Amino acid sequence: EVELVESGGALVQPGGSLRVSCAASGFIFSDHYMDWVRQAPGKGLEWVGRIKHKYNSYHTEYDASVRGRFIISRDDSTNSVYLQMNNLKSADTAIYYCAREHSGDDAFDAWGQGTLVAVSS
Amino acid sequence: SSELTQDPAVSVVLGQTVRITCQGDSLRSYYATWYRQKPGQAPVFVLYGKDKRPSGIPDRFSGSYSGDTTSLTIIGAQAEDEADYYCKSRDSSGNEFVFGGGTRLTVL
Repeated sequence: EVELVESGGALVQPGGSLRVSCAASGFIFSDHYMDWVRQAPGKGLEWVGRIKHKYNSYHTEYDASVRGRFIISRDDSTNSVYLQMNNLKSADTAIYYCAREHSGDDAFDAWGQGTLVAVSS
Repeated sequence: SSELTQDPAVSVVLGQTVRITCQGDSLRSYYATWYRQKPGQAPVFVLYGKDKRPSGIPDRFSGSYSGDTTSLTIIGAQAEDEADYYCKSRDSSGNEFVFGGGTRLTVL
């Protein structure tokens, strides 16, 4: 069974940093692009960014709202993907979901349950 | 602002047909994926590609495209279909993803 489990969400002060993690199981992790999606309280879904697999040199792409502040990385040896968030702003307060990309279709075919990041003083 | 536009809310009488639309220039070049999200839950994909349904999604869900608009149609809506629906596709550059603002479907 495909499973994604996020962890590491916390309350952080504005300007601070936080790394959230996503542990994957039940599939060949190294074969898939992985994405992060966030959802602010009571709001819609927002794509954060993604990391491709080794066959595409682990290339990363980001939404303009986080580019230069957030970094996505992965460790295929531990089936994990990470989101390093720097210079956090109140607007970054959200549930952060990791998602698996369905190969070749752009679809996010598996999601974690999310981890809450709250940015407040 | 989102490059994909959805109506914020749509309602349908139980058993009737409802169409949820998503409009954006990038849809002329890229397919969309549709996600359903119920309160307190993670999203689930319900349609992808030209008109593909993942396993476990009933055949009352279908998709279509016309110009810069894609539609999710539910024929014979059920109470369990009540949820928020989001479309997702590529942005105008084709390098990044973008979600529509979401449509809250109410089944009356």
